[in-house]
Amino acid sequence: NAGVTQTPKFQVLKTGQSMTLQCAQDMNHNSMYWYRQDPGMGLRLIYYSASEGTTDKGEVPNGYNVSRLNKREFSLRLESAAPSQTSVYFCASSEIRLGGPADTQYFGPGTRLTVL
Amino acid sequence: SQQGEEDPQALSIQEGENATMNCSYKTSINNLQWYRQNSGRGLVHLILIRSNEREKHSGRLRVTLDTSKKSSSLLITASRAADTASYFCATDVSGGYNKLIFGAGTRLAVHP
Repeated sequence: NAGVTQTPKFQVLKTGQSMTLQCAQDMNHNSMYWYRQDPGMGLRLIYYSASEGTTDKGEVPNGYNVSRLNKREFSLRLESAAPSQTSVYFCASSEIRLGGPADTQYFGPGTRLTVL
Repeated sequence: SQQGEEDPQALSIQEGENATMNCSYKTSINNLQWYRQNSGRGLVHLILIRSNEREKHSGRLRVTLDTSKKSSSLLITASRAADTASYFCATDVSGGYNKLIFGAGTRLAVHP
């Protein structure tokens, strides 16, 4: 099993450009997440999808959109990139028991995004 | 704002020594998890401790949880150079939405 995969690994954008970060998991997990990691700040949740067909905002959703394409795939889109979105982006997945406590999350290797 | 705060921010020790990292949080939790991140890599889950547990072990790792003080500690015994990484605590935000809030992490350097 590959676990959680992310593409691309690196990306450089100019301000105002758009792009989509792709994430896929092969563990049949219901829940998927997008985080950003900035130096010295740990991970912050951008959006999450508790199950196929649902998405919800996290702590820092502004400037991003997401699509839960199917159970395996969860994409993150930057419509008009800004320098403040320079960061490392991580996708994660986990099993979920509806209404139950959080469980282990499995992370992808990350996408390093630079916006000039 | 961050739910969890790790202390210290950075820790430098020699191989064979023990490393202790602390995490404090602000609101009630269902569980608390510790993750490790090697430089340039994704996070890897280490251990999960539920709110009704006080101590948990996994190999050379020992985690304690004190819900009255809203704090947790991660102890790595007999550290190795391969333990060099950043360590993050993450709290389950109560409410059943399966969301984790991460702290800023402790950078551990273990010198041979």
